[in-house]
Amino acid sequence: DSGVTQTPKHLITATGQRVTLRCSPRSGDLSVYWYQQSLDQGLQFLIQYYNGEERAKGNILERFSAQQFPDLHSELNLSSLELGDSALYFCASSVGGSGDYEQYFGPGTRLTVT
Amino acid sequence: GQSLEQPSEVTAVEGAIVQINCTYQTSGFYGLSWYQQHDGGAPTFLSYNALDGLEETGRFSSFLSRSDSYGYLLLQELQMKDSASYFCAVPNQAGTALIFGKGTTLSVSS
Repeated sequence: DSGVTQTPKHLITATGQRVTLRCSPRSGDLSVYWYQQSLDQGLQFLIQYYNGEERAKGNILERFSAQQFPDLHSELNLSSLELGDSALYFCASSVGGSGDYEQYFGPGTRLTVT
Repeated sequence: GQSLEQPSEVTAVEGAIVQINCTYQTSGFYGLSWYQQHDGGAPTFLSYNALDGLEETGRFSSFLSRSDSYGYLLLQELQMKDSASYFCAVPNQAGTALIFGKGTTLSVSS
């Protein structure tokens, strides 16, 4: 158990819908990272927040957005969902704000868009 | 930009030794990390090399050669539970996030 929690574990929704994925980092960690993992693209970095501020952006679509709240939990919002958005979404946390090499991953949310 | 190359699959038998290679191209280099992911599970951190040489952690060792932009993960005394995907990763150019390779699937048979 990494100490990072993610909800929900599974999500099934239809194209065009909007969903919110939630992540709580390990106690004491200030950074939260979001990753998307699909079979053909591997583990893709989406976005990082550090202590409430956006720190880095990766391959995140404009239909996706995220935020980190004062209690450091984070939410990833996915809208206008397409079939291709079906994937595992991981949240990870680390102590620092500089792409720490040691990140702790949550169990993931498996999103299925039908 | 950053890119990493690693073999897609490796097979071995219990008790054997296996080496998973990773070559990288990066504008700035901060170090090479390795992660393990069991099927359907979360990636877990294994090791990190910032300097050249071998780092040993139990049955797993990781090696880095910065001049060759190359590293490897060495797994000894393989067990069935080592069957998993292994990812190498480097920080992005800004040093703010990790870029992962596509992963190597290791299958250990008895």
